[in-house]
Amino acid sequence: AQRVTQPEKLLSVFKGAPVELKCNYSYSGSPELFWYVQYSRQRLQLLLRHISRESIKGFTADLNKGETSFHLKKPFAQEEDSAMYYCALKGAGGTSYGKLTFGQGTILTVHP
Amino acid sequence: NAGVTQTPKFRILKIGQSMTLQCAQDMNHNYMYWYRQDPGMGLKLIYYSVGAGITDKGEVPNGYNVSRSTTEDFPLRLELAAPSQTSVYFCASSYGSPPGYTFGSGTRLTVV
Repeated sequence: AQRVTQPEKLLSVFKGAPVELKCNYSYSGSPELFWYVQYSRQRLQLLLRHISRESIKGFTADLNKGETSFHLKKPFAQEEDSAMYYCALKGAGGTSYGKLTFGQGTILTVHP
Repeated sequence: NAGVTQTPKFRILKIGQSMTLQCAQDMNHNYMYWYRQDPGMGLKLIYYSVGAGITDKGEVPNGYNVSRSTTEDFPLRLELAAPSQTSVYFCASSYGSPPGYTFGSGTRLTVV
């Protein structure tokens, strides 16, 4: 079974401070990991995926297979980063049908 | 280009009533999904479909039914509403793998 755990329901930081949203996963094969974000009154949208090794809006995330983690990081948080963040996992293999397993979500609040 | 459209946006149901949550996409995506979002619980997959005429249960299918008669539409049916079904429901679609889901704006359902 695959599982995604985001241990922090709420995370508060001040503007300009570094931020790290934790994500741990459980999966026996080679997972694909994603971060989704939901800003206030907006739809969930894809922020980044591990296979792209990209930086979006200053956020990065590295897949650590040894620690089974995919933490989301940003060196200098901005007020507009305040949102709900979801870590998600897609199992490999033909039967997964693109299904994503989501974590519980972390509400990030960046104070001025 | 509308993307994924969900209707209604809000609905209050009485216990035992029935309703259908509508979801339509105009991107010719083959995969479609229904999730529910509960506070502190993240998103849970209710049902999914890999193409017209093909549906399957997700993690929390009890109390729900779906159909996929066309590529565009994937309605979710609640037959006998219960308070436990109070939630925000999201429809999503994707094409191929890995899934960059496109989400709808959600339906907030309250059962009283």
